[in-house]
Amino acid sequence: QVQLQQSGPGLVKASQTLSLTCAISGDSVSTINAAWTWIRLSPWRGLEWLGRTYYRSKWFYDYAISVKSRIAINPDTSKNQFSLQLSSVTPEDTAVYYCAREFSSCQDSWGLGTLVTVSS
Amino acid sequence: QSALTQPRSVSGSPGQSVTISCTGTSSDVGGYDYVSWYQQHPGKAPKLMISDVTKRPSGVPDRFSGSKSGNTASLTISGLQAEDEADYYCCSFAGSYTFYVFGTGTKVTVL
Repeated sequence: QVQLQQSGPGLVKASQTLSLTCAISGDSVSTINAAWTWIRLSPWRGLEWLGRTYYRSKWFYDYAISVKSRIAINPDTSKNQFSLQLSSVTPEDTAVYYCAREFSSCQDSWGLGTLVTVSS
Repeated sequence: QSALTQPRSVSGSPGQSVTISCTGTSSDVGGYDYVSWYQQHPGKAPKLMISDVTKRPSGVPDRFSGSKSGNTASLTISGLQAEDEADYYCCSFAGSYTFYVFGTGTKVTVL
């Protein structure tokens, strides 16, 4: 049973960087069978896939076009976790952020979500 | 990439069936058999209900079923129960440039 535990601040000031971490239990961030993703839910954009990282002999990174210039998702093999960094945030980045495992082209395990509010 | 289109709400009485549609394009729903459905209760994380258009993960009741025709996927809940009242989202793979696109979400109300 995969469990994902999210952590990080719930309030970020505009123009600063949003940082969240997702700790994995029951699987490995280095597994070759899955990818590790970040998704957000907001009233104005609904559910939005933000990006993923995965290991297939080397690390790969894929990002949504809408945030590609501002986003970084990084694995931490020593702690079996992965992180999200979203820079230059605006109030429009206010959302509930979820980490999730992508297995066989769907997200089969999700974290509980973190409400991040961007204050202006 | 635009979100997939779902009805804002559907409702039904206990025991009835409801169907939620998810309309996309040939670049997402119509182009791949990688449509999934998620159930979300208030304040909870989304839960995978259907993967690969029709596959039901272990533990999901068999009254949940999925299908696809052309650019539209559907989720049917048969024998509606009170605990099925939730928000439902579809998701489709959309190629190696857009990756994944979600639906706009549908609120299911059990009358």
